[in-house]
Amino acid sequence: DAGVTQSPTHLIKTRGQHVTLRCSPISGHKSVSWYQQVLGQGPQFIFQYYEKEERGRGNFPDRFSARQFPNYSSELNVNALLLGDSALYLCASSLYGGSGIYEQYFGPGTRLTVT
Amino acid sequence: RKEVEQDPGPFNVPEGATVAFNCTYSNSASQSFFWYRQDCRKEPKLLMSVYSSGNEDGRFTAQLNRASQYISLLIRDSKLSDSATYLCVVNTGNQFYFGTGTSLTVIP
Repeated sequence: DAGVTQSPTHLIKTRGQHVTLRCSPISGHKSVSWYQQVLGQGPQFIFQYYEKEERGRGNFPDRFSARQFPNYSSELNVNALLLGDSALYLCASSLYGGSGIYEQYFGPGTRLTVT
Repeated sequence: RKEVEQDPGPFNVPEGATVAFNCTYSNSASQSFFWYRQDCRKEPKLLMSVYSSGNEDGRFTAQLNRASQYISLLIRDSKLSDSATYLCVVNTGNQFYFGTGTSLTVIP
């Protein structure tokens, strides 16, 4: 079975531009979470979607938005890019979402560089 | 205060050694706990879930102490392939909180 897939793998953007990152979860998983990981730090939670509804939001500005589609794939959008948005963006897939006990499985990530 | 705090590391140990990592969490309502492994410039991979009764998977043992709010990971008989960054993860409500990670290098 295919794991979590993300596209693109690498991206270079200029300050002020907009970017869309995509994620397809493991087949049968209904939840997708997005994380930002900067060098030397652990992943920071951005959003969680479960059954197409937002179930959690981390401490990120409104420039960050996301959505989940009927097939459970997801997009993360970032507007007005800043240099500090340069990071590895990780998508995690899980069977369930919200509170509870469940495991998350990560995709390979999209490495975003903002110049 | 951070939601999750880990040993600063780095840990450099010889092959065959036993090494332990600890991690503390701040929210007593946290529900589930995990250890992930992350290789350089790769995604985190689930190593173990951590159960209240403690659990073991081969050379790896994870323990949870809810009273003191910490989780631990013990690696016995370290292999060169164990070299990686180990991240502890705590699920509180609908958010997963990651520690900053502890770097392990196993030396021949």
